[in-house]
Amino acid sequence: QVQLQESGPGLVKPSETLSLTCTVSGGSISSYYWSWIRQPPGKGLEWIGYIYYSGSTNYNPSLKSRVTISVDTSKNQFSLKLSSVTAADTAVYYCARDTITMVRGVISNWFDPWGQGTLVTVSS
Amino acid sequence: SSELTQDPAVSVALGQTVRITCQGDSLRSYYASWYQQKPGQAPVLVIYGKNNRPSGIPDRFSGSSSGNTASLTITGAQAEDEADYYCNSRDSSGNHLRVFGGGTKLTVL
Repeated sequence: QVQLQESGPGLVKPSETLSLTCTVSGGSISSYYWSWIRQPPGKGLEWIGYIYYSGSTNYNPSLKSRVTISVDTSKNQFSLKLSSVTAADTAVYYCARDTITMVRGVISNWFDPWGQGTLVTVSS
Repeated sequence: SSELTQDPAVSVALGQTVRITCQGDSLRSYYASWYQQKPGQAPVLVIYGKNNRPSGIPDRFSGSSSGNTASLTITGAQAEDEADYYCNSRDSSGNHLRVFGGGTKLTVL
C-alpha cells in the first residue's frame, strides 16, 4: 500500500525558510492531489496547501504569501517551503494524499494515507 | 478561525453511543471526512464520503449529514476510541480550499 515519509531539518532559525520533502512509496504520485498539513503542539490541524501531480497548486490564504509546494514526479516526491518562519510555525508537519470524488453531484475530499509527521521547531 | 465548528470535548460511557458533530456552511454542499488522532500519532481516516469506512475501521463508526451539520457516530464506544476527532471538508468560498474543524476530545468513561 501507499506510504508517505516526511524528511527535512527539525530545527529552523527565525526568518529562515523551512523546507520539507515527502517521499511517496508503494504507488505513483501521478493522478492524485497531495497536501501538507501541520499541527502546532497541543493544537488542532491546519491545512497548508495541495499540489496536483501536474504541478497546479492551491494554498491556505493565511499562509499563501510564504508557501511554495512543488512536485518531482521522477522521484515520486513533493516538497514544502515556508519562508520567513517565526515561533508560530513550530509544529508537526504532515504530508497526505488528498483524494477528491463526486457522487451524485456532491463533492467529497479526504486525506489518506498520512505520513508519520515530523516536528519542526523554529528557534535561534 | 475555522469554518467548521466542533464541540471541544465530549464524553461517553463505555459501550454507549456517542455522536460528534461538525457544523459549517460548506457542509450543505460537500461531504465531511473524519479523522481519529491518538496522542503522539498521525491522524487516521475513519469516515469519508457519504458514509464510507476505510479498510480496517470498525463498523461501529458511521457518518451522516443533514443541512449544515455532519456527524460521526460511534455505536458501542470502546476504550480504544478515546482520542481526538477532526472533521474536514472544503471551505465555502468555492476556491477548493480544505478546512479542518477545531477537533473534539472524546473521553470514554
